[in-house]
Amino acid sequence: DAGVIQSPRHEVTEMGQEVTLRCKPISGHDYLFWYRQTMMRGLELLIYFNNNVPIDDSGMPEDRFSAKMPNASFSTLKIQPSEPRDSAVYFCASNTDPEGTYGYTFGSGTRLTVV
Amino acid sequence: QQQVKQSPQSLIVQKGGISIINCAYENTAFDYFPWYQQFPGKGPALLIAIRPDVSEKKEGRFTISFNKSAKQFSLHIMDSQPGDSATYFCAATILLAAGNKLTFGGGTRVLVKP
Repeated sequence: DAGVIQSPRHEVTEMGQEVTLRCKPISGHDYLFWYRQTMMRGLELLIYFNNNVPIDDSGMPEDRFSAKMPNASFSTLKIQPSEPRDSAVYFCASNTDPEGTYGYTFGSGTRLTVV
Repeated sequence: QQQVKQSPQSLIVQKGGISIINCAYENTAFDYFPWYQQFPGKGPALLIAIRPDVSEKKEGRFTISFNKSAKQFSLHIMDSQPGDSATYFCAATILLAAGNKLTFGGGTRVLVKP
């Protein structure tokens, strides 16, 4: 298995532009998580899905952020319009063990820079 | 509200020394405590985990100590090696709660000097 695949690895965009981050979870994993990592706030959970359905989006910072999971093998995180304070590394992770004892598998992340 | 507090933020240890990272949690409903290791440019990876019904768990050079009454747990890296240089995150979750979403500590950057 190739693991959790995220694209792009790096994204530089101008303030006000729309940004779309993509994630392919491990096949068979029924939970998908989006995290944001910054020096100031560490790892923050933004939203997670179970069987493609959003379960908890309380971590989404504001309406400029949206996430979708149209099928079991693909998810997107969209920021529109983007702002410099959105600059961070965004991680996608997936999990399947209902007890969570095998832990999450994280992707390598997308480093977003908004200028 | 930070539910898992981690310290120190960074530490430097000589090769062969012991690295110790501490975490404290607030939510007594947490019942699973994993540690993640992150190398630069990579996502965090599960290192070792413990449940509160045991006080210690050891895997190779990595040991978790757990103090339920104090709501604290720690990671000890014995015989630290330069390859252990990474950022370590403690985390906590409630097993069987929907999604088992993890709450992470702030991370500790460990540098092992040769």
